[in-house]
Order: sequence, then structure tokens, then C-alpha cells
Amino acid sequence: AQSVTQLGSHVSVSEGALVLLRCNYSSSVPPYLFWYVQYPNQGLQLLLKYTSAATLVKGINGFEAEFKKSETSFHLTKPSAHMSDAAEYFCAVSRRAGTALIFGKGTTLSVSS
Amino acid sequence: DTGVSQDPRHKITKRGQNVTFRCDPISEHNRLYWYRQTLGQGPEFLTYFQNEAQLEKSRLLSDRFSAERPKGSFSTLEIQRTEQGDSAMYLCASSLLAGGHKFFGPGTRLTVL
Repeated sequence: AQSVTQLGSHVSVSEGALVLLRCNYSSSVPPYLFWYVQYPNQGLQLLLKYTSAATLVKGINGFEAEFKKSETSFHLTKPSAHMSDAAEYFCAVSRRAGTALIFGKGTTLSVSS
Repeated sequence: DTGVSQDPRHKITKRGQNVTFRCDPISEHNRLYWYRQTLGQGPEFLTYFQNEAQLEKSRLLSDRFSAERPKGSFSTLEIQRTEQGDSAMYLCASSLLAGGHKFFGPGTRLTVL
């Protein structure tokens, strides 16, 4: 069975600071891993995905994530936070492409000026 | 490409009533997914279709829930005899079979009084 744990339900950073959102996964097979962002009153939007190619994955809006098998982690980072990054972020896992996603509980990112 | 659309966006109903939601996927997307999201939680998988075939159902999908995709295009999710615990955001997503990149709709927010 697969599962995802997002450490920290709420992360606050200052504008221009590093963003680090943590995600650890559990999977019995090589996983497909995803990060989604949800802005208020909007649908989930894919930030990036890992599908067993490069371990460092670059996504939209300057975000990137590194797959570390030894740590079963897929943390999301951005070098410099922008006010517009304030949103809810979800890490998700699936056992293969096109199948159901298992989501974490989400991390709310707040960015202060 | 108009994206995934869902109708209605909001639904308020009384306990015991039946409700039906509609999802229109992106054209030519042959996979369609339903998820449920409650406050403070990540989306939970309910079911998914490949064309008109329902391939997987979560244990969360009780007998009161039924989903259809009769012609392999739009889908409906019906909840019979609604309960207050059914109050949630119901999300629909679609993807191409091989791509796995799921595009989410804006959701239908259900409130059961």
C-alpha cells in the first residue's frame, strides 16, 4: 500500500526566503510522485512529477523537487519565495502512470512581506 | 482546450435527499477520476474510469454512491440519501491513458444540512 506524509501542516516564510515543503512516501513499488498546488477557489494544478527519470525534477513557477530513495523523500523547494506562492501544496503518490493518486494532507504556505 | 468543468459548483441539500454532480473532462481524455476533499485534508480517491469502464472503486465509495460514464465522455456522480458526513468538495480530474498527468476541475462543493 502507498501513503504520503507531509511534515508540517503550515509553513511560513518571508518573501525572498527559501521555501522547503517536506514529503515522505511509502510504496512497495517504484513510485510516481507528484506535487500539486491549490489556490483558493481554484482546482489543483500540477507543479511537477517524478516518473523514474532524473531524480531532480524541475517544475513550474521556479519550484523543484528531489527524489531520494534512501530517505523515501520528495521534498519541494524554491530558492526565493514570492507573495503569489501562498497556497496549499499537496504531495501525492501513485503506483503507476494513470492510476489513482494518494494525497498527503497538505501544507499551507504563507508568505509575508 | 477549455479544461475540466464541473457542474454545479455549489450544492446545498437537506439530509436524506439525492444529489447528482456532472463532470466534463478535457476532450479526448480517456481517463476520468473522482476525488473527495474535506476541510483540512488532501483529496481522497473515490473511483476512476477508462472510457466507459469503471476500473477501480475506493472503499470510501459506499453503496449510496454511484458513478457513471455512459458514453466515455462526461461522468456523473450520484449520492443517494445524503448524510451530513457527505459534505465535502467533490473533485473531478481527467488524463490521457499514457500520460498520467491529471487535470483537475474546480470542484463541486456539497453542503448537507
